[in-house]
Amino acid sequence: DAGVIQSPRHEVTEMGQEVTLRCKPISGHNSLFWYRQTMMRGLELLIYFNNNVPIDDSGMPEDRFSAKMPNASFSTLKIQPSEPRDSAVYFCASSFGTAKRGYTFGSGTRLTVV
Amino acid sequence: GNSVTQMEGPVTLSEEAFLTINCTYTATGYPSLFWYVQYPGEGLQLLLKATKADDKGSNKGFEATYRKETTSFHLEKGSVQVSDSAVYFCALTEANDYKLSFGAGTTVTVRA
Repeated sequence: DAGVIQSPRHEVTEMGQEVTLRCKPISGHNSLFWYRQTMMRGLELLIYFNNNVPIDDSGMPEDRFSAKMPNASFSTLKIQPSEPRDSAVYFCASSFGTAKRGYTFGSGTRLTVV
Repeated sequence: GNSVTQMEGPVTLSEEAFLTINCTYTATGYPSLFWYVQYPGEGLQLLLKATKADDKGSNKGFEATYRKETTSFHLEKGSVQVSDSAVYFCALTEANDYKLSFGAGTTVTVRA
């Protein structure tokens, strides 16, 4: 298996633009997680899905952020409009069953908003 | 609620030195405990885990023992290498939960 695949690896955009981050989880995994990592705040859980349904989005910073999982093999995280404070590394992770089995993380998308 | 507290870094060591990273936790039930490692420019990878009290997880020369009496899961390695330079995260999950609670991470730098 190729693991969790995220795209793009790097994204530089101007303030106010829409940004879409993409994630392909491991085949057969039924939970998917979006995290944000910054020096100041560390690793933050934004949202997680179970069987393609959003279960907990309490970590989504504000209405500018939205996430979808239209099927078991694809998820997006969208920021519209983007702001410089959104600059961070965004990770997607997937797992099968409960977290007791551990997560598999993607390599992340480094987002820079200028 | 559940939480994990890690030793603050950064930690700088010489090659072949002994490494310990402290991790303590708060949980309402009987959690499973994990150590994840993040190498520069990469995502987090599962390093080791333990699912019940007194279990010892081990991988790549690293070890951690689940101590219920002290609510701890300290990570140790007897002789570190430059390639062990990374950020290490302690994490926990309760039974039947889908979420992991992560510590703040500890940055380790090993110098030749």
